[in-house]
Amino acid sequence: AQSVTQPDIHITVSEGASLELRCNYSYGATPYLFWYVQSPGQGLQLLLKYFSGDTLVQGIKGFEAEFKRSQSSFNLRKPSVHWSDAAEYFCAVAGGKSSGDKLTFGTGTRLAVRP
Amino acid sequence: GAVVSQHPSRVICKSGTSVKIECRSLDFQATTMFWYRQFPKKSLMLMATSNEGSKATYEQGVEKDKFLINHASLTLSTLTVTSAHPEDSSFYICSAASLTIEQFFGPGTRLTVL
Repeated sequence: AQSVTQPDIHITVSEGASLELRCNYSYGATPYLFWYVQSPGQGLQLLLKYFSGDTLVQGIKGFEAEFKRSQSSFNLRKPSVHWSDAAEYFCAVAGGKSSGDKLTFGTGTRLAVRP
Repeated sequence: GAVVSQHPSRVICKSGTSVKIECRSLDFQATTMFWYRQFPKKSLMLMATSNEGSKATYEQGVEKDKFLINHASLTLSTLTVTSAHPEDSSFYICSAASLTIEQFFGPGTRLTVL
């Protein structure tokens, strides 16, 4: 069965500082990986996804993530954090690409941004 | 991008009553819709997967008689919490997918059972 681990429950960074959120996955075959962001009381918005090809993927809002098969990781990065980035971030993995394939979510990392 | 709406956004009900939550894909036809439950400061727990015109597939531990899911059309799925109790209070989120794995999420419904 697939699983996702986000080791950091809560992270605080200063505005303008760089950010890296960790995600490790467990899946036997090639995974399909996602990062979502959730603002308080809201649904989830897709930041970026990795299916195949270039292991460095660019997303919205200046985020990027790098797929490292050897480390089973898909860490999310941003070079300069803005106060509006404060939110909950979820990493997710799927075993297939069809609409019926389920997403398995990590427990999330809450990001706080210091002024 | 694809838009998914949920209605209502918040609902408060008395214990023992039933509550229906609607999930609509506004600008695309969803072959599959998913219902999640999210506890405070927790991750999303998949409750069930539904395909239009078929019975929903429930995850282990989810009571299908309590959480009734109907996916009557390619743009509408409903979740009915029957005989709601305080422990059913939660944030319910739906998502919709069309042919591919990418799911588009609704804004969620906050259910409070008194």
